This record gives sequence, C-alpha cells and structure tokens, in this order.
Amino acid sequence: QVQLVESGGGLVKPGGSLRLSCAASEFTFSDYYMSWIRQTPGKGLEWVAYLSGSATTIYYADSVKGRFTISRDNAKNSLYLQMNSLRAEDTAVYYCARGQKPFLRPVPSSYGLNLWGQGTKVTVSS
Amino acid sequence: QSVLTQPPSVSGAPGQRVTISCTGSSSNIGAGLDVHWYLQLPGTAPKLLIYGNSNRPSGVPDRFSGSKSGTSASLAITGLQAEDEADYYCQSYDTRLSVGVFGGGTKLTVL
Repeated sequence: QVQLVESGGGLVKPGGSLRLSCAASEFTFSDYYMSWIRQTPGKGLEWVAYLSGSATTIYYADSVKGRFTISRDNAKNSLYLQMNSLRAEDTAVYYCARGQKPFLRPVPSSYGLNLWGQGTKVTVSS
Repeated sequence: QSVLTQPPSVSGAPGQRVTISCTGSSSNIGAGLDVHWYLQLPGTAPKLLIYGNSNRPSGVPDRFSGSKSGTSASLAITGLQAEDEADYYCQSYDTRLSVGVFGGGTKLTVL
C-alpha cells in the first residue's frame, strides 16, 4: 500500500547527532517533493525542510539551517534528515510527508499534504 | 505563537454543527494563498481533511466543509459524531516569511 514509514528517532544529548529515515512504498517516489515536519506540544507543527524529487530544490526552516541536512536516495525510495548540533528545542515528533500532486512544491500549494508517516520521536536531553 | 490563529478548543453535542476558524493576515490567507485543514487523532499523524480551501479528498465525508473569506478560513462539521473528537489544524503559506505555516490547532470535544 502507499505509505511512508519513519525510523531513527531516539534519545540524544545536546550537541549530538541523529539521522532520520523515511521509507516510501507503492508510489513513484522520485516524482514527488518530500518534506520533514515536526510537532511539539509547545510550538505545534513546524515545517523543517523539503526537497524536490531531483534534490535540486531544497528548503530549510531558519531554526535548523546549518545544522540539519535533508537528502534522498530515489533508488532506495528513501528520504533522510541528518540532524547535527541538536538542541533541547529540537525535541519533537518528526513526520515525513508528501503532497497530493507529483512535481509540485509542497508550499505554496493548492493541494496540501495527503500522505504522512507515523512519526518518529526525537528527544534531546542530557 | 502561530502565524495562523485558531481557537484552542470548541465543543458540540452529537448531531450539532460546529465551526473552527483560522485567522491569518495579508501575507498569507489574505494574499490569496490556499488553506488546508488536517485532522489529528491522539497518537497519530495529521490527516488531510480539506485542501484548496474547500475541496475534500476522496473518502472524507461531506459533513466536513471548508471556506475562505478575506484573511480567514473556516472548517465546518455538521452532524457531529463522537469519532470527530480530535485536533484540527489549518495550514497555508506566508509570503513574508516564505514558509509553510500551521495554525496552533483546535481541540474538538464531542459532548
């Protein structure tokens, strides 16, 4: 079935690193922009990063720029988020997500995000 | 503090109609950017409920409807059911911040 499955979350100390993965199934992964979105009780939902199918267009939120790197391996139908220099405020559930239409940026968009993974929890604490 | 403002909570009895507002500004909803709505059950990922202000993905009941006017958007739920109890989020794009933005979420309680 069409789905996204995240993995790689866990507990890490401030300043540490973590790599999240998102495995895609049953759709032409390389045709879609993919996003990482995080959710915290305090700040709600925040768009962290997105990447075009060819990996030529990349967006990062200011809060993660220079620390996080989004990437993809279309041969493996996988999306990644390398998180370095982690801070307490990066603690969140991280979701990968896909838009309804291929080749279109996720924002601004008339179509929204219609496919989300189940989320993976990242806790940054000493 | 979210760019898009939603009421923290709304409630209604089974069978009733409720609306959830999403207030933005001239740099997002008021600039003509589309609004999308998501439903999130506890412990699960958000699910797309309304896209492009008023369109329902296949499988979403017609009890759910969306509208937009000026700098605000609204989600209406008619014939309220116990299973509608969830958190609801609006989402758009802000041209000043150049980023996708979400509302702070509204918790719907079915009395």
